[in-house]
Amino acid sequence: EPEVTQTPSHQVTQMGQEVILRCVPISNHLYFYWYRQILGQKVEFLVSFYNNEISEKSEIFDDQFSVERPDGSNFTLKIRSTKLEDSAMYFCASRRTPNVSNQPQHFGDGTRLSIL
Amino acid sequence: EDKVVQSPLSLVVHEGDTVTLNCSYEVTNFRSLLWYKQEKKAPTFLFMLTSSGIEKKSGRLSSILDKKEPFSILNITATQTGDSAIYLCAVFYSGGSNYKLTFGKGTLLTVNP
Repeated sequence: EPEVTQTPSHQVTQMGQEVILRCVPISNHLYFYWYRQILGQKVEFLVSFYNNEISEKSEIFDDQFSVERPDGSNFTLKIRSTKLEDSAMYFCASRRTPNVSNQPQHFGDGTRLSIL
Repeated sequence: EDKVVQSPLSLVVHEGDTVTLNCSYEVTNFRSLLWYKQEKKAPTFLFMLTSSGIEKKSGRLSSILDKKEPFSILNITATQTGDSAIYLCAVFYSGGSNYKLTFGKGTLLTVNP
């Protein structure tokens, strides 16, 4: 069964450094998402992306964050200057179509980001 | 404020017990409610519910939605230690012209042998 894949599985970075998290969504999916889950807390929506642009973003997704689909397969999340509170598990998800109710989002295994 | 509220937050049972997990929500332009199981890593999809009163079933797991209240329950019968996980409820709804998925805090289920 096709999967959403994320790399790396664990990233350790110094505060203030830039980090790029990578995702390969399921190949025939068109709608892409990033979520984060701070340890012990709930999964929080960050951003959705469709047709090469951001569709929706949460208040968490400030100017430090950006997303890109640089080629036909990768979907990346960049954090420009990391802060301690960015430490979390970051999940990528994809969905086949944007607005049809009968399609669930499928999640990758996540990247654990640790900021020192 | 939380749009999706799950209860209980944690639950400890013995193998063979039946459990019921609850999820209530308050959103506009509801589209669907989803249940996910989260073990060590990614949430894995269990059910998607869009219509009231229609039970979805997969093995020992079943779920139903009541859009009037509104809430959903997830039932697990004859629990096994492998059912130990966090069960996440999420609601897919329209915020303006776009759709987003909002999660509850989850129910941590521990099944002891």
